[in-house]
Amino acid sequence: DTGVSQDPRHKITKRGQNVTFRCDPISEHNRLYWYRQTLGQGPEFLTYFQNEAQLEKSRLLSDRFSAERPKGSFSTLEIQRTEQGDSAMYLCASNRAGLGRGANVLTFGAGSRLTVL
Amino acid sequence: ELKVEQNPLFLSMQEGKNYTIYCNYSTTSDRLYWYRQDPGKSLESLFVLLSNGAVKQEGRLMASLDTKARLSTLHITAAVHDLSATYFCAVDPSGNTPLVFGKGTRLSVIA
Repeated sequence: DTGVSQDPRHKITKRGQNVTFRCDPISEHNRLYWYRQTLGQGPEFLTYFQNEAQLEKSRLLSDRFSAERPKGSFSTLEIQRTEQGDSAMYLCASNRAGLGRGANVLTFGAGSRLTVL
Repeated sequence: ELKVEQNPLFLSMQEGKNYTIYCNYSTTSDRLYWYRQDPGKSLESLFVLLSNGAVKQEGRLMASLDTKARLSTLHITAAVHDLSATYFCAVDPSGNTPLVFGKGTRLSVIA
């Protein structure tokens, strides 16, 4: 098991462009989460999936953001018409829900750093 | 809305000294997690605390949870340089729901 993989690790784009990030969770994990982290802050929740169903979206997730997990395995996070305020580290995490207490430990990927010029 | 506050946010301590990082949260929860993040790296799980009075220890770090006070502590004993990192606490608001993180405590251990 290679852990949670994210791609690309770094993305530099111009304001107004669209970007897409991919996350491959640990294979036996049924839940996948997206968080955003800016410098000096803790991770902020964006959205999460259980299998292919998107269960919750934060109000931080504006309509320019969309996330999918079409087959319940990998997920993509797309940001349309990027703004400078979107510059951040986008973290993906996964876990397996339904194992009782303690099942909410998240395994994080290395993150995708976005810089919007 | 659940709020998670850590203090201090920055901590510079000498090797060999002891110190405690505090994590307060605003609503009832009995599930609290501590993570470590090294510069440029992702978050690594350190401790899982699942009940009032829970205490976990690993090396020079010890974490505890007081759910009545809505407080967790991360105690560092005889700090060494390798402990330099940012430490985050995170709370599960209602069981198997997305974790809410504090802003982190950036620890620097100096000789």
